[in-house]
Amino acid sequence: GAGVSQSPSNKVTEKGKDVELRCDPISGHTALYWYRQSLGQGLEFLIYFQGNSAPDKSGLPSDRFSAERTGGSVSTLTIQRTQQEDSAVYLCASSLGRGANTGELFFGEGSRLTVL
Amino acid sequence: QQQVKQSPQSLIVQKGGISIINCAYENTAFDYFPWYQQFPGKGPALLIAIRPDVSEKKEGRFTISFNKSAKQFSLHIMDSQPGDSATYFCAARGGGADGLTFGKGTHLIIQP
Repeated sequence: GAGVSQSPSNKVTEKGKDVELRCDPISGHTALYWYRQSLGQGLEFLIYFQGNSAPDKSGLPSDRFSAERTGGSVSTLTIQRTQQEDSAVYLCASSLGRGANTGELFFGEGSRLTVL
Repeated sequence: QQQVKQSPQSLIVQKGGISIINCAYENTAFDYFPWYQQFPGKGPALLIAIRPDVSEKKEGRFTISFNKSAKQFSLHIMDSQPGDSATYFCAARGGGADGLTFGKGTHLIIQP
């Protein structure tokens, strides 16, 4: 498809387990973002990848969270030892990246994580 | 520190009325101000955006008003329709960052 693809769309896990969330950005987009959306809390920035530059990890809430982007395309967000407060919708977005005239971010439909 | 403050948190408007959502920012280095619309189960999508060199931008029924001196901007939806019912996020970019800083969102309901 032409849009940002995320998987799984829904994930239910037990407290303490590790989870991986995948994002496949729009082809040609050099920038990739992860956001977390909790009820009533808006969109919380987690991490940003731009080309081959070192990622901006300033939004990651704890060292249980990590992300990688392989080959400048697909990204995986990993949450280790999940906690109930990690329950949220995790949104991935991509854009044309630095220098583009438009700052438009294209979002996927998100991965809803529920930690029991 | 919340860099973009959005209000109200929720809003109910009658069909045909005007919906108004307000945002205020703190960082004067912001140079791009978009509004995103999100329907349930979907990701946010760009609705309309403005740069600080203009005071107003209109696209169909949607208008952004921008007040640089007050560091405020607002979204006006004219002739609001039930299909406009969604969550709206204001955002800002700049100050050395490439990503967007979002407001907390406004849940808009248009009553038929």
